[in-house]
Amino acid sequence: DGGITQSPKYLFRKEGQNVTLSCEQNLNHDAMYWYRQDPGQGLRLIYYSQIVNDFQKGDIAEGYSVSREKKESFPLTVTSAQKNPTAFYLCAAWIQETQYFGPGTRLLVL
Amino acid sequence: AQSVAQPEDQVNVAEGNPLTVKCTYSVSGNPYLFWYVQYPNRGLQFLLKYITGDNLVKGSYGFEAEFNKSQTSFHLKKPSALVSDSALYFCAAPPGVYNFNKFYFGSGTKLNVKP
Repeated sequence: DGGITQSPKYLFRKEGQNVTLSCEQNLNHDAMYWYRQDPGQGLRLIYYSQIVNDFQKGDIAEGYSVSREKKESFPLTVTSAQKNPTAFYLCAAWIQETQYFGPGTRLLVL
Repeated sequence: AQSVAQPEDQVNVAEGNPLTVKCTYSVSGNPYLFWYVQYPNRGLQFLLKYITGDNLVKGSYGFEAEFNKSQTSFHLKKPSALVSDSALYFCAAPPGVYNFNKFYFGSGTKLNVKP
């Protein structure tokens, strides 16, 4: 499955709160990605990173931020500016010409 | 515009019958094409990919896919469906052979296999 872990499995956010979703990989992947999945819809790219200390906005980056301080970690912060954060968030990594996905984090708003 | 399309929101098939889940693509050059399966509240699992070579690609769990360049299609197939194959299936492709900065995903097809 590409050796990608995500935590927590479920996350609850209060109004105006920033929350951070964890994504870790142990197989030395270079490229990592964050996607958002809404019910009945496909995946939309939030951010991607090809190397440490470098990342690029995807199609729906507004209201989100990321960091890539270590090769194995690519955390996603959902900021208070994201007005509709309820979704399933998927982290992925690229290795051996294939994109592999983590198990996902479901974010809910209280 | 580059894209991947799955024309069917849902496919229903009886257990033991063959199944086909359709995908068409519009990307530049020779495409990389992928199929993934997603079970409820789970991440996407890689099934198979086409990069080059034989147009018939075999993957996990008995699935295969046929690349058809003239029809720009990459349909997922299985000779005999199982109830446990019921899930959401996604077709995907990067914009170019050496461009993996983003992927185009189809909207997904829900496969229902009835006993």
